[in-house]
Amino acid sequence: GNSVTQMEGPVTLSEEAFLTINCTYTATGYPSLFWYVQYPGEGLQLLLKATKADDKGSNKGFEATYRKETTSFHLEKGSVQVSDSAVYFCALKGSARQLTFGSGTQLTVLP
Amino acid sequence: DAGVTQSPTHLIKTRGQQVTLRCSPKSGHDTVSWYQQALGQGPQFIFQYYEEEERQRGNFPDRFSGHQFPNYSSELNVNALLLGDSALYLCASSLGQGANEKLFFGSGTQLSVL
Repeated sequence: GNSVTQMEGPVTLSEEAFLTINCTYTATGYPSLFWYVQYPGEGLQLLLKATKADDKGSNKGFEATYRKETTSFHLEKGSVQVSDSAVYFCALKGSARQLTFGSGTQLTVLP
Repeated sequence: DAGVTQSPTHLIKTRGQQVTLRCSPKSGHDTVSWYQQALGQGPQFIFQYYEEEERQRGNFPDRFSGHQFPNYSSELNVNALLLGDSALYLCASSLGQGANEKLFFGSGTQLSVL
């Protein structure tokens, strides 16, 4: 079946530091890949997505590239802000059209 | 434009009881999915409703059941509650079931089973 493995947290960074959260997946066929963000007390929000190999999703300074050869979709941001503190989830949607999530990575950015 | 709304926000039950959680989808959306998010884990798919029928189901026992109403709102019912059912239950809505439709999530119902 489909699965998503995420870098374990928590991750603590200083403001303006570079962020990488690793995500690898196992799936049959050609899944779509997603990053969701969950702020305290809120539901999940779609951060970015990529639907085919070599696509780059980007939003709010975050980027992730769909790498089929390494089955990865790592999330990056060049300069994090305190407001980026949240839990980040990598997810995929395969032929079953249901989302399969990783376990989440807690990010804390210190001023 | 209201997003996805869920009620109640918090709920405390005891083992063996039954619970009903409610979800109103984002305006214009006709498809509702339910997810269970245990503490420190990612959400797990329970089931999806479209046109008042269950269209897909994840790996959850029959104690978990649902319903979708003509106005597209939905309920999640859990019977014979177990301690392990304690979790955040998330509702997500979308327009249609296409592979690339965007999901909008509610803030969830936090269920505690004592």
